[in-house]
Amino acid sequence: EVQLVESGGGLVQPGRSLRLSCSTSGFTFGDFAISWVRQAPGKGLEWVGYIRREVYGGTGEYAASVKGRFTVSRDDSKSIAYLQMNSLQTADTAVYYCARDTLAYDYWGQGTLVTVSS
Amino acid sequence: SFELKQPPSVSVSPGQTARITCSGDVLSKQEAYWYQQKPGQAPVLVMDEDFKRPSGIPERFSGSNSGTTFTLTISGVQTEDEADYYCQSPDISGLSRLFGGGTKLTVL
Repeated sequence: EVQLVESGGGLVQPGRSLRLSCSTSGFTFGDFAISWVRQAPGKGLEWVGYIRREVYGGTGEYAASVKGRFTVSRDDSKSIAYLQMNSLQTADTAVYYCARDTLAYDYWGQGTLVTVSS
Repeated sequence: SFELKQPPSVSVSPGQTARITCSGDVLSKQEAYWYQQKPGQAPVLVMDEDFKRPSGIPERFSGSNSGTTFTLTISGVQTEDEADYYCQSPDISGLSRLFGGGTKLTVL
């Protein structure tokens, strides 16, 4: 069974950092890109960024709203993807989902809530 | 434009047909995918590329496209179909991803 589980969310002050993890199982992690998608309270889905497979360089792409502040990474040996979030702003408050990326998102985690507030 | 536009809301009665549209110039070059999201839950893929339904998605869900508009059709809507629906596509370069603003389907 394919599973993705996010962790690392919580309450953080503006300007601080947080790292989210996306632990996966049930599929060959290295064969897939992983995307991060967020949803602010009462709002729609927003793509945050994704990380390519290592065979394609393991590099990331980012939405303009987070570029330069957020970094995606992966550890294929542990089947985990990460989202490092720096210089957090109140506008970053959202549920953060990771999803298996095949251009479509066929499997999603349950999400982890990040609240940025003083 | 690199946006995907959806109507904010669609309302139908049980048993009727619901059509939810997703429009954007990028869709002349890229596929659109559709997700269903119920309150407090993660989104679920309901329509994959080439209008294929993922395993477990009822046959009443179908997709089509015309030019720069993709349409998700739910035939014989059931009360359990009440949810938010989002379209999503790669951008024209394939380097990033776009989401539509979402459509709230109300089953009256």
